[in-house]
Amino acid sequence: QVQLVESGGGVVQPGRSLRLSCVASGFDFSTYAFHWVRQTPGRGLEWLAVISFRGGNKFYADSVKDRFIVSRDNSKNTVFLDMNSLRPEDTAIYYCARRPVGYGLDSWGQGTLVAVSS
Amino acid sequence: EIVMTQSPGTLSASPGETATLSCRASQSVFGNLAWYQHKPGQAPRLLIFDASKRATDLPARFSGSGSGTEFILTINSLQSDDFGVYYCQQYNFWPGTFGQGTKVDIK
Repeated sequence: QVQLVESGGGVVQPGRSLRLSCVASGFDFSTYAFHWVRQTPGRGLEWLAVISFRGGNKFYADSVKDRFIVSRDNSKNTVFLDMNSLRPEDTAIYYCARRPVGYGLDSWGQGTLVAVSS
Repeated sequence: EIVMTQSPGTLSASPGETATLSCRASQSVFGNLAWYQHKPGQAPRLLIFDASKRATDLPARFSGSGSGTEFILTINSLQSDDFGVYYCQQYNFWPGTFGQGTKVDIK
């Protein structure tokens, strides 16, 4: 069955970096675009980034542009989110999700918690 | 970026009633809008895409309508399991912004 599993979250100090991973299984990974979305208590769901199926096209939310980088390794069925210059307001649960062409975000991981605190 | 505004912020209704959730875009997103349900401790769940198309296996009592800047999610015959926060999201433009959510409580 379709499965997305995020990892890499944890507690990190402001200004530091963290890499999140999302490992997919149960479907043809290389034919899907992937998105990162986070949930914060105060702001609900916030869309962060998207990467096309081959990785050639990427778009970011203004709040993370120039700090976060999305990438993928189709040989390992994995999507990454490199988060740099982390701020306390980046504290959230981070989800990866896939989007079939012409559809919505139909499958999501269980999320990984990132806490930015000194 | 496109601002998505949802109303009401909280909706409380009894089982069997109808819930109507609204979502407004700051400019036209045509029909490129999805609705998601999010329950505590769970991943969000896709309900509606392209404004009115139901996700696979979604009960017919969930329906979406609208285009341009005004969208509606209707939940008929509310059930106790329909609690959660409902979000709209536009994907006509990047960034693919979400609304702030409508919390649905079942009395």
